[in-house]
Amino acid sequence: AQSVAQPEDQVNVAEGNPLTVKCTYSVSGNPYLFWYVQYPNRGLQFLLKYITGDNLVKGSYGFEAEFNKSQTSFHLKKPSALVSDSALYFCAVRVYRGNNRLAFGKGNQVVVIP
Amino acid sequence: GAGVSQTPSNKVTEKGKYVELRCDPISGHTALYWYRQSLGQGPEFLIYFQGTGAADDSGLPNDRFFAVRPEGSVSTLKIQRTERGDSAVYLCASSSPTSSTDTQYFGPGTRLTVL
Repeated sequence: AQSVAQPEDQVNVAEGNPLTVKCTYSVSGNPYLFWYVQYPNRGLQFLLKYITGDNLVKGSYGFEAEFNKSQTSFHLKKPSALVSDSALYFCAVRVYRGNNRLAFGKGNQVVVIP
Repeated sequence: GAGVSQTPSNKVTEKGKYVELRCDPISGHTALYWYRQSLGQGPEFLIYFQGTGAADDSGLPNDRFFAVRPEGSVSTLKIQRTERGDSAVYLCASSSPTSSTDTQYFGPGTRLTVL
């Protein structure tokens, strides 16, 4: 089985401050990890993914995420948040050589305060 | 290029009715996925197609749900005898699995409301 946990329901951050959205995963095997963002009444937009190699992954719109195998975490980060980053963020995992389905967390609402 | 498209964007139906939701994947993508997103939750997997065949339909909640992809491109998710609990956003995604690392790209979803 594969699953992710996003422990916080909402993350509030002031514009210009660093943004962190937390994700931990559970898989039996090597994980492929993904972050997606969802704006109101829109579908999921792909931000970045970790497959293998460098633990620090850089993605769209200045976001990055760090894979930590010992802590089974894949936290999303942005050095300086923008008001336009306010959205719903989802972490997802699938298993290498497993089925192709993604298992999503429940999502984190990010609110960037001007 | 064009992304994944889904029609209709909104569907309101009455309990017991039959509905069809359509997904048009990114051109050339051989893999297609359906997910369901209930209010306040993350998407949940329903079914995965590789080409024309359903490679994994283990996420379909019961036999009222069925999906087809007859020509390996457009897919239709069919729900019979709809129930109020079927109300959700139905998301479609596609990917080009040249390797096992391919990213799934999502459409805007169809919001289904069962009255």
